[in-house]
Amino acid sequence: EAQVTQNPRYLITVTGKKLTVTCSQNMNHEYMSWYRQDPGLGLRQIYYSMNVEVTDKGDVPEGYKVSRKEKRNFPLILESPSPNQTSLYFCASSPALGSGETQYFGPGTRLLVL
Amino acid sequence: AQSVTQLDSQVPVFEEAPVELRCNYSSSVSVYLFWYVQYPNQGLQLLLKYLSGSTLVKGINGFEAEFNKSQTSFHLRKPSVHISDTAEYFCAVSAPFSGGYNKLIFGAGTRLAVHP
Repeated sequence: EAQVTQNPRYLITVTGKKLTVTCSQNMNHEYMSWYRQDPGLGLRQIYYSMNVEVTDKGDVPEGYKVSRKEKRNFPLILESPSPNQTSLYFCASSPALGSGETQYFGPGTRLLVL
Repeated sequence: AQSVTQLDSQVPVFEEAPVELRCNYSSSVSVYLFWYVQYPNQGLQLLLKYLSGSTLVKGINGFEAEFNKSQTSFHLRKPSVHISDTAEYFCAVSAPFSGGYNKLIFGAGTRLAVHP
């Protein structure tokens, strides 16, 4: 089944404890992206990747890191989480970079930082 | 810069009634328009999109949307809703971006609650 998977789905942590949220897609997609969803704000892009070893900042990159060492994986790293990073996180991928492409979303990771 | 405004944060409606979820966008250039749906505890999935051609776009689950360039709107409609349509709906635009590819800009979302 074609899909985007994320792990973990739920995570509670404490301020400053490094964590990684994994994202994997099995559709051989070029483009991958991370979003955070907050009430009343919709989804905002954190980072994106156009291909292996090519990543760039989105609208809200502060406090996050990413890497794209393999085409299928795009982990999101929080080196020192803070309470304002409590949010719902989505990974997405699309077949190509061009305009009009549909993005395929993972099921989400709900993060609580105490 | 592009932006998307979803005019209603919540829309309650009775089962089998029609519904319209409103979306306006702002852009100085041509854009592509999308509606995504998020069912409880799930990721987003595409309902429909407008790229070009006919301004009336039909999507999955009986939804349709009409692109109105003069009013910069892309309202989503369904003639008769079901309980299973209860979800959050996001309007999004895809706008030109440096590097030759497009980025999705989302509205804040509209929570549709269908009541029996």
